[in-house]
Amino acid sequence: GQQLNQSPQSMFIQEGEDVSMNCTSSSIFNTWLWYKQEPGEGPVLLIALYKAGELTSNGRLTAQFGITRKDSFLNISASIPSDVGIYFCAGRFGNEKLTFGTGTRLTIIP
Amino acid sequence: EAGVTQSPTHLIKTRGQQATLRCSPISGHTSVYWYQQALGLGLQFLLWYDEGEERNRGNFPPRFSGRQFPNYSSELNVNALELEDSALYLCASSWGTEETQYFGPGTRLLVL
Repeated sequence: GQQLNQSPQSMFIQEGEDVSMNCTSSSIFNTWLWYKQEPGEGPVLLIALYKAGELTSNGRLTAQFGITRKDSFLNISASIPSDVGIYFCAGRFGNEKLTFGTGTRLTIIP
Repeated sequence: EAGVTQSPTHLIKTRGQQATLRCSPISGHTSVYWYQQALGLGLQFLLWYDEGEERNRGNFPPRFSGRQFPNYSSELNVNALELEDSALYLCASSWGTEETQYFGPGTRLLVL
C-alpha cells in the first residue's frame, strides 16, 4: 500500500544527543501525526498537527507541520534511554484513510 | 478511561486454519481500523469500519475480512492461513473518520 517516505530508516545516537527525523509525501495532507512504538506494543500517539506551519511540543519532543503540507519533522532533545523505539509519522487528507511512514528505529548507545 | 483492547494477545495457528481477532474501541469511538505489521516492518492498512460499514480496504486478499458490531467492537477474520500471515495485528479507533487514531496493544499471530 501507499506509504510516506520517512528518514532516516534507523539512528544510533548517544544518550544526551538531539534527534531529528522527517517525513515527506508526494501529496498534501491536512493532518500529520507522530507515533512511537516500543517492542511488542501498539503505537502510542506523541503529537498531532492540524495546520501548515504549526509547531507543537510535548516535553522534549517537538514536531512541525511543513509549510508545503507535504512534509513534517520530529525532533527529540537530550535523548534518554527510554526514547528507544520506532517512530512513525502518519498523514491524512480530509476523511481519507491515514497513511503511515516506514518508521525510524532509534537506538540509544550508553 | 480504558484504551483500545484486543484479544487474544497471542494466537498460534497452523497453515490452512482460520483465525479470529477481536477489538474493542475506546468508549465513544465509532471508527475501527485494522493494520498488519510484519516483524521489523511498517504498518500495512487492512480494513476500516465506521458506524458498522466497511469504509476502505487495503491491498489484501479476500480471505482477510471483518465486521463491526452495533457496539462498535470489531472482528478480523483470516481464512486459509498462510505462513506469511504471521505478524502483529493492530487495531485502532477514532471518534470520527477524521479524528486521531489510538492503537491497541495488538494480537501477535503465529502461523506454523
